[in-house]
Amino acid sequence: DAKTTQPNSMESNEEEPVHLPCNHSTISGTDYIHWYRQLPSQGPEYVIHGLTSNVNNRMASLAIAEDRKSSTLILHRATLRDAAVYYCILRDRGATSGTYKYIFGTGTRLKVLA
Amino acid sequence: NAGVMQNPRHLVRRRGQEARLRCSPMKGHSHVYWYRQLPEEGLKFMVYLQKENIIDESGMPKERFSAEFPKEGPSILRIQQVVRGDSAAYFCASSPPIPRQTNYGYTFGSGTRLTVV
Repeated sequence: DAKTTQPNSMESNEEEPVHLPCNHSTISGTDYIHWYRQLPSQGPEYVIHGLTSNVNNRMASLAIAEDRKSSTLILHRATLRDAAVYYCILRDRGATSGTYKYIFGTGTRLKVLA
Repeated sequence: NAGVMQNPRHLVRRRGQEARLRCSPMKGHSHVYWYRQLPEEGLKFMVYLQKENIIDESGMPKERFSAEFPKEGPSILRIQQVVRGDSAAYFCASSPPIPRQTNYGYTFGSGTRLTVV
């Protein structure tokens, strides 16, 4: 079972920031937080990941709560091309090879309004 | 550096036929994962393979489905005697070897859309 909870859908206006929340109250100390997105008719695409500190890359920012029980993916200026399903996934840092698989939840469907 | 290559992109099979889906991982990636996505649903894990070994097949249906990743060549997901319920998008992903995995995400292919008629 997925260990994360996300809203089913969100809407945003074009050129405005978007904050996509994710709850992971059962996160363990060895879990990384990974975000992927899936554009229509495509495979999932890596967005960003983090462990404890906030992270920035060219696509997005990831804000991680101090207790790590929640995180927020931030798209600074949404474009129409950002319309996708966004998945928040926990991934074990160390353990056995069998735990490296991703377990996807239902994700958040982001709609961007022109 | 080519990404994960899946073929065919679209596959139509009649009920009872066999479907073979191929996945070539990224160069240097030795781990392959297969996922299935039914229409309007999320991705469901099927199987995780390394070269010549199945590591985790906990998501594979007990019958008709098999997967391999030979020493040479692509990974193959094989579905025997297909039924309408097998119609879905099948995605393959690859990743580098442990222990670099946790600092590196998967790379997914564009998927194979199987339609059973």
